Amino acid sequence: DTAVSQTPKYLVTQMGNDKSIKCEQNLGHDTMYWYKQDSKKFLKIMFSYNNKELIINETVPNRFSPKSPDKAHLNLHINSLELGDSAVYFCASSPNSGPRRGYTFGSGTRLTVV
Amino acid sequence: TQLLEQSPQFLSIQEGENLTVYCNSSSVFSSLQWYRQEPGEGPVLLVTVVTGGEVKKLKRLTFQFGDARKDSSLHITAAQPGDTGLYLCAGTGSGGSNYKLTFGKGTLLTVNP
Repeated sequence: DTAVSQTPKYLVTQMGNDKSIKCEQNLGHDTMYWYKQDSKKFLKIMFSYNNKELIINETVPNRFSPKSPDKAHLNLHINSLELGDSAVYFCASSPNSGPRRGYTFGSGTRLTVV
Repeated sequence: TQLLEQSPQFLSIQEGENLTVYCNSSSVFSSLQWYRQEPGEGPVLLVTVVTGGEVKKLKRLTFQFGDARKDSSLHITAAQPGDTGLYLCAGTGSGGSNYKLTFGKGTLLTVNP
């Protein structure tokens, strides 16, 4: 199936731990994104990579570090997790023409920090 | 910062009723998209509109982009329980980063049988 797949689906961890979320797309898209959806369902962009190059870096704590080993993968590493990091994190991708043709989203990773 | 305001935030209706969801901004967008998100899943693209005044239809769903490209609406005719979900509008900036999609806060629609 062509898709954006992210793992894990659920992640429960203690404060202070370091964790990673992985994302892969097989759509041949050039641009990938990380979005955070809060408890009120608001989606806010965190990062965007185009052909492995960081092009968007919103005001995100530097405990969050994205890594793109190739244009099909965009991983998110989070250091020293805090309670406020609890949210659903979505990976998405779009063609190189930009998001005007729409994003394809993964099914999300629900992160719970206890 | 470009902001998109969606209304209503919550909508609960009976099967067969019609409804309209609105998405408004003070900024101009080069394109506007509508997504539907179901519980436990990511948003799924329904439509993209790019031309001021554009109207697109997807079965019982009608999408309109305002003439000034600052607002959009989604109209559903004869709503069905399968239409239940979170509807999100999202816009790409005019003259700004074409890679950044700004989302509204969503309209949670419940269609009761």
